[in-house]
Amino acid sequence: DAGITQSPRHKVTETGTPVTLRCHQTENHRYMYWYRQDPGHGLRLIHYSYGVKDTDKGEVSDGYSVSRSKTEDFLLTLESATSSQTSVYFCAISDKGQGAYEQYFGPGTRLTVT
Amino acid sequence: SQQGEEDPQALSIQEGENATMNCSYKTSINNLQWYRQNSGRGLVHLILIRSNEREKHSGRLRVTLDTSKKSSSLLITASRAADTASYFCATGDGNNRLAFGKGNQVVVIP
Repeated sequence: DAGITQSPRHKVTETGTPVTLRCHQTENHRYMYWYRQDPGHGLRLIHYSYGVKDTDKGEVSDGYSVSRSKTEDFLLTLESATSSQTSVYFCAISDKGQGAYEQYFGPGTRLTVT
Repeated sequence: SQQGEEDPQALSIQEGENATMNCSYKTSINNLQWYRQNSGRGLVHLILIRSNEREKHSGRLRVTLDTSKKSSSLLITASRAADTASYFCATGDGNNRLAFGKGNQVVVIP
């Protein structure tokens, strides 16, 4: 999986609790992305980063925040988890920017909010 | 949003047959990409075709792009059981984001 790890791989949490997912890369790629995958919706972009401390919103960013303090790590935080955030979350990286180049995906984190 | 939309949504074929999937999109694009996802795994990039290209090959994969019809097709020749997966198209508009379709489930029967 191109030097991308996600942690945890599985998590069950209760409604209202904060949750942080971590994406770690060893490829030194500039761009990093967080997606969620839900049945019937495909992959939807939550947030992405185009450099250290540079982030921007995707199409489903409400309820999520991100941080990138160093090139290799991109954190996704659910400040107060809701059942609608039950999903599989994927991190991806890209070297030149996804408009022109392929993305490499991590193995995913399955999050269940009860 | 220039989200891709794959058609057909599900395809079941015999090993050795060809599998064809289509993708349509709504706005102008810089490139179109196809990804494969095996059950429980992350997506894997298969092939990228730029807006000024009409056809591209990679091994048993053939991708075509018709920008006038805003559509693309992915052909997998001589399918194998290992090709069983979901296939996604994704469009890039030249900015830093991709828009993915909902995916196309392909089952290859040995």
